Amino acid sequence: GAVVSQHPSRVICKSGTSVKIECRSLDFQATTMFWYRQFPKQSLMLMATSNEGSKATYEQGVEKDKFLINHASLTLSTLTVTSAHPEDSSFYICSAIWGNSRNTEAFFGQGTRLTVV
Amino acid sequence: AQSVSQHNHHVILSEAASLELGCNYSYGGTVNLFWYVQYPGQHLQLLLKYFSGDPLVKGIKGFEAEFIKSKFSFNLRKPSVQWSDTAEYFCAVNANTGGFKTIFGAGTRLFVKA
Repeated sequence: GAVVSQHPSRVICKSGTSVKIECRSLDFQATTMFWYRQFPKQSLMLMATSNEGSKATYEQGVEKDKFLINHASLTLSTLTVTSAHPEDSSFYICSAIWGNSRNTEAFFGQGTRLTVV
Repeated sequence: AQSVSQHNHHVILSEAASLELGCNYSYGGTVNLFWYVQYPGQHLQLLLKYFSGDPLVKGIKGFEAEFIKSKFSFNLRKPSVQWSDTAEYFCAVNANTGGFKTIFGAGTRLFVKA
C-alpha cells in the first residue's frame, strides 16, 4: 500500500511553545489529508480535513487558531500546535487519500506523540 | 453525518476461541467500510476493507468481515484467536460526503489469554 510518513514520531515541548508536525505522502500525491487526535485508550477523533492549496475544514469543537494546518503541496501537510498546554498532550495521526473516486482508502501515518510539560 | 458504533468495548477470550466484534454505522448512502487493528505501542494497520462486491470480505491474519446492508453492520470475525491478536480493533467508515473523511468507532480492546 501507499506510504504516509509523519515527523517527528515523538516530541516533548514546554508549555507555551509551538510544535510543528509534518505529514508526507511518500509515493503518491495526496489530494486530501486528514488530522486525527487519539487520547489514551480512546478512539481516533477527526480534527480537520485539508486539501492542497485551500483552507482546512475543522470539525466542530476544534480550535482552528490553536491547531494550524497548512497543506502546501500534494505531498505535505503540517499541523502546528500553537501555544501548547499540557492538555494538548496526545497522539496525533495523519492520513492521506488520493483521488475522489468511489473506492477511496485512507493511508495512515505512524503518528506523533506530543508531550507538553 | 456518518457515525460508527462498536458494541463491545472490552473483550476477553481464551486462545482458540472464536471472535466476533460488532460494528454498526449510520449513513444512508454508499459507504466504504474498514477494520483497523492497533497493537500495543504501534500504529494503525488495515485488517480488511469493503468497497463493493462480495459482502464477505477476507483480510489479513485470518480475519473476515461481513457487510449486511439491511442491518448497517460490518462485523469482524475470526474462527480461532491467538494470543498475538491482543490489540485494539477499530471499525471505520468513509463516504462520498465531506471529502471521504474516515470516521472511527470507539474501538474494542481485545485481550486473548494464553
